Amino acid sequence: EAGVAQSPRYKIIEKRQSVAFWCNPISGHATLYWYQQILGQGPKLLIQFQNNGVVDDSQLPKDRFSAERLKGVDSTLKIQPAKLEDSAVYLCASNKISSESSYNSPLHFGNGTRLTVT
Amino acid sequence: AQKITQTQPGMFVQEKEAVTLDCTYDTSDQSYGLFWYKQPSSGEMIFLIYQGSYDEQNATEGRYSLNFQKARKSANLVISASQLGDSAMYFCAMREMDSSYKLIFGSGTRLLVRP
Repeated sequence: EAGVAQSPRYKIIEKRQSVAFWCNPISGHATLYWYQQILGQGPKLLIQFQNNGVVDDSQLPKDRFSAERLKGVDSTLKIQPAKLEDSAVYLCASNKISSESSYNSPLHFGNGTRLTVT
Repeated sequence: AQKITQTQPGMFVQEKEAVTLDCTYDTSDQSYGLFWYKQPSSGEMIFLIYQGSYDEQNATEGRYSLNFQKARKSANLVISASQLGDSAMYFCAMREMDSSYKLIFGSGTRLLVRP
């Protein structure tokens, strides 16, 4: 099966500019996640979608970050305006979880988008 | 409060030897799952092994095994017969069985295998 697709692979922007990342999950995966991974740290969950509804966005800086998942498939994550501390790898992941019976389902990750804010 | 703690920022191991990477977790739930992921320098996150809180036996997957001590809330990853390709970051993660089933990661351990 095709994996999680993300684009772009790399992005360099200046602070205060805007940027958008795109993710296409594995076909049939109901749950989609965006993680932020700062260099040397573990991934931090930004937002989780179940189909096209938001399940958890408690750690999303909503004053500058937004995300949507139209039609329950592709998702975009946007940053506007970007700050220096947003420099990180943004990982998209998906899995099949839609009920308690699939809670042991691992997340499948894309290759990430490496963002550098100068 | 930190949910997942990995106290070893970096570890060395000699090729062909075994190594244990530590992970402790914090939860008040009875139902939860523990995962280990590998992240090579190329950046992709590779799923290695899973342990459910109700599993009576320690999980094993090839050269990977999980030393699960529920009372101590630890889920250490054991890699046997280390290979040079095992050099990578290793992350422990937990999923609590609340309404979101979100996966929370630890800070990781960097493993370097010496030839």
